[in-house]
Amino acid sequence: NAGVMQNPRHLVRRRGQEARLRCSPMKGHSHVYWYRQLPEEGLKFMVYLQKENIIDESGMPKERFSAEFPKEGPSILRIQQVVRGDSAAYFCASRQYMNTEAFFGQGTRLTVV
Amino acid sequence: TQLLEQSPQFLSIQEGENLTVYCNSSSVFSSLQWYRQEPGEGPVLLVTVVTGGEVKKLKRLTFQFGDARKDSSLHITAAQPGDTGLYLCAGPNTGNQFYFGTGTSLTVIP
Repeated sequence: NAGVMQNPRHLVRRRGQEARLRCSPMKGHSHVYWYRQLPEEGLKFMVYLQKENIIDESGMPKERFSAEFPKEGPSILRIQQVVRGDSAAYFCASRQYMNTEAFFGQGTRLTVV
Repeated sequence: TQLLEQSPQFLSIQEGENLTVYCNSSSVFSSLQWYRQEPGEGPVLLVTVVTGGEVKKLKRLTFQFGDARKDSSLHITAAQPGDTGLYLCAGPNTGNQFYFGTGTSLTVIP
């Protein structure tokens, strides 16, 4: 049973470009969370999704950021018109049910130049 | 408002020393998880505690869940350089969210 898979591991974008981060949850997991982590800091919640639904996006900036978890395929975190301040590690986690552990991917490190 | 507060935020100790990391909340959690994150990697689940007062051991690591299920501690005996990392507590609330603590960055000096 493969773990949570994120790709790419590293992503470099110029200011103004779009960044697409992908997350394939563990098999059988229908709950997906996205977190952002700045260097030397903890994990900051961004968005919680279930299949085809956004459950909680209270941690996601109102502009330029969007997330989806379609019926088929990975969850996508999309950042439009990236700025230098978007440079961070973005982690995805998945859970099977509401009260079970979350398992993390290895993250995508976004660098905006 | 941070739902889970961890202390200390940073900890640097010599190899062989013991240490305790705390995770506190004013809210009750149905369970709490502890994760360790190494540089450049994602957090890895260490343990889940579910029952108030529960104690779990993982080699030199001892995890305890408070009786009221509002706090937890992680005790490391005879720390080794391989224990270096960011330790995070986390847990689900009664709704949809999964909260993370503020994290404790541990450095074990050889």
